[in-house]
Amino acid sequence: NAGVMQNPRHLVRRRGQEARLRCSPMKGHSHVYWYRQLPEEGLKFMVYLQKENIIDESGMPKERFSAEFPKEGPSILRIQQVVRGDSAAYFCASSPEAEQFFGPGTRLTVL
Amino acid sequence: DQQVKQNSPSLSVQEGRISILNCDYTNSMFDYFLWYKKYPAEGPTFLISISSIKDKNEDGRFTVFLNKSAKHLSLHIVPSQPGDSAVYFCAASAGGSQGNLIFGKGTKLSVKP
Repeated sequence: NAGVMQNPRHLVRRRGQEARLRCSPMKGHSHVYWYRQLPEEGLKFMVYLQKENIIDESGMPKERFSAEFPKEGPSILRIQQVVRGDSAAYFCASSPEAEQFFGPGTRLTVL
Repeated sequence: DQQVKQNSPSLSVQEGRISILNCDYTNSMFDYFLWYKKYPAEGPTFLISISSIKDKNEDGRFTVFLNKSAKHLSLHIVPSQPGDSAVYFCAASAGGSQGNLIFGKGTKLSVKP
């Protein structure tokens, strides 16, 4: 059973471009979480999704950020018009019912 | 407003000795606590968890203790091994095992041979 997959592992964007981060949960997992980690900080919760539903987006910035988890395919975290402050490691986690299992992360660098 | 605090940024122990990592929290609604281990350029790896109805959970070399009155939990690793060297994150949830996690800033553990 493959673990949580995230791609790309590294993403470089210029200010104003769009960033799309993908997360494929572990097989059989229907819960997906996105977290962001800034340098020297812990992970900060962004959004919790189940298939086709956003359950909790209390950690998501109100503008430029969106997330989806369609019926088919990976979960997508989308950041529009990126700014330098968006540079961070973005981690996705999935769970069946209990503990969350994390992917390797996508490191976003905004030039 | 940091709800989960790991006050020691780093800890160094000798191989074979006990490592004790500490975590304090402020939100009395937290009912589920977890420890994760993280290597550079990798995602966090789940280690052990504890529900608020318990005060101790053990899994091999890892034991987590929860003191609800003090809002404090600790992770004990014994005996410590060089491969345990990593950053350890404490996390808490107010939604049971399915809630979103609030993480501490981590403690970097170095186990010296």
